[in-house]
Amino acid sequence: DQQVKQNSPSLSVQEGRISILNCDYTNSMFDYFLWYKKYPAEGPTFLISISSIKDKNEDGRFTVFLNKSAKHLSLHIVPSQPGDSAVYFCAASEDDYKLSFGAGTTVTVRA
Amino acid sequence: NAGVTQTPKFRVLKTGQSMTLLCAQDMNHEYMYWYRQDPGMGLRLIHYSVGEGTTAKGEVPDGYNVSRLKKQNFLLGLESAAPSQTSVYFCASSGAGGVNEQFFGPGTRLTVL
Repeated sequence: DQQVKQNSPSLSVQEGRISILNCDYTNSMFDYFLWYKKYPAEGPTFLISISSIKDKNEDGRFTVFLNKSAKHLSLHIVPSQPGDSAVYFCAASEDDYKLSFGAGTTVTVRA
Repeated sequence: NAGVTQTPKFRVLKTGQSMTLLCAQDMNHEYMYWYRQDPGMGLRLIHYSVGEGTTAKGEVPDGYNVSRLKKQNFLLGLESAAPSQTSVYFCASSGAGGVNEQFFGPGTRLTVL
C-alpha cells in the first residue's frame, strides 16, 4: 500500500499564477520530506525539502508547507513559469536514506 | 563530473532472457539505489546498497538481483525477464550521514516482449 499519495495526477495553471501541489502520507514515522521534479526522458532532480521539525521551507519561487497533524504537505510555485512544466514527485523518509515516492503530479503551465 | 550514469539507455528483451543494467557514480557516495517507475505508481525501490559489498531488498525485489563490488558501481540483474518487468529503471546515489538528497541517473527504458 502506498504510504505517500499524490491524489491529483495533473494540474494546469496559467503562467504567472500560483501552482499548488498536494501530498498526503500515512506513515507517522516519516520525518523528512522532499520534492523532486522530472522532465521527460530525464531522471528526477531534487527541488526542495523539509524536516518534520519545521512547518515551512522556502527557496526562491518554491515553498513547501508541512502539516504534521494532518499528515499533509504542499508545494507552492509562485509565479509559475513555462519551464516549470514537468512531473513533480513527493517523497518521504523515516531512516535518513530510503525514500518512499508518490505517484507524481504532471504540471502544465499555459502561456 | 558526470554524476550518475546508466547503461544502456534502451533495451528490448524477450521473455526469459537475462541482462544487467549498470549504474556508475563519480560523487563518492556511500548509498546507491535502484528504482522502477511505472505509470500511476511513482518510483518504487527495488534494491539498495549502503556501502561497497552490501546490498538489501527494497519494496519490489522479486525477479531482480544486485551487486556492489565497487563503491562507484551498482549493477541490477534480471535473470529471466518477464513482461511485468517492462518499466523505466532509475539508479540513484546519495551521501551518508543524515538525510541527503538522492541524485538520479537518466534512466533505462526496458521492454520485455
